[in-house]
Amino acid sequence: GAGVSQSPRYKVAKRGQDVALRCDPISGHVSLFWYQQALGQGPEFLTYFQNEAQLDKSGLPSDRFFAERPEGSVSTLKIQRTQQEDSAVYLCASSLGYEQYFGPGTRLTVT
Amino acid sequence: ELKVEQNPLFLSMQEGKNYTIYCNYSTTSDRLYWYRQDPGKSLESLFVLLSNGAVKQEGRLMASLDTKARLSTLHITAAVHDLSATYFCAVDKPTSGTYKYIFGTGTRLKVLA
Repeated sequence: GAGVSQSPRYKVAKRGQDVALRCDPISGHVSLFWYQQALGQGPEFLTYFQNEAQLDKSGLPSDRFFAERPEGSVSTLKIQRTQQEDSAVYLCASSLGYEQYFGPGTRLTVT
Repeated sequence: ELKVEQNPLFLSMQEGKNYTIYCNYSTTSDRLYWYRQDPGKSLESLFVLLSNGAVKQEGRLMASLDTKARLSTLHITAAVHDLSATYFCAVDKPTSGTYKYIFGTGTRLKVLA
């Protein structure tokens, strides 16, 4: 079956631009997570949805980061006024239970 | 605060040799996960360890979990070049009815032919 998909796979943004990153979870998975992986580091938790409800956004680094999942399936992570420190790989994962399944990630480069 | 530490951070080893990667975590956790990541790729699940004393093996890799010591090991037997990658451990932390993952720093493994 289809796994978690993300688009775009690569995104180059100029500093100050807004970007939107999309995640399509595995069909039927209730839980959806976003992680940020800086170069040479492990992934770090950003936010979590259960269906359409955002239940944990403790990892979002600033109010420039916003995530939504309006119909409980596809999710979008939006970053406003991008900064160079936002350059990273953004990973999405979905789950039914404790095991999470990761997508291929979106590599964001802010120039 | 839950912290996960791995050592070594970098490991260069000869083909055919054995080595162990260590993963320590700071507070109790229900489960521990090992992932492999190749450059520019996403995370590939290797093992899920569910309880104290759990041991799992796949090919040249074997993982174990000691929840009392808050320690997991990933043992590599007779390394081959194809095992070159970065290995992450992660523990899960309860949040709002589910679990979020806290990842270690990663161990970058290079197997020399």
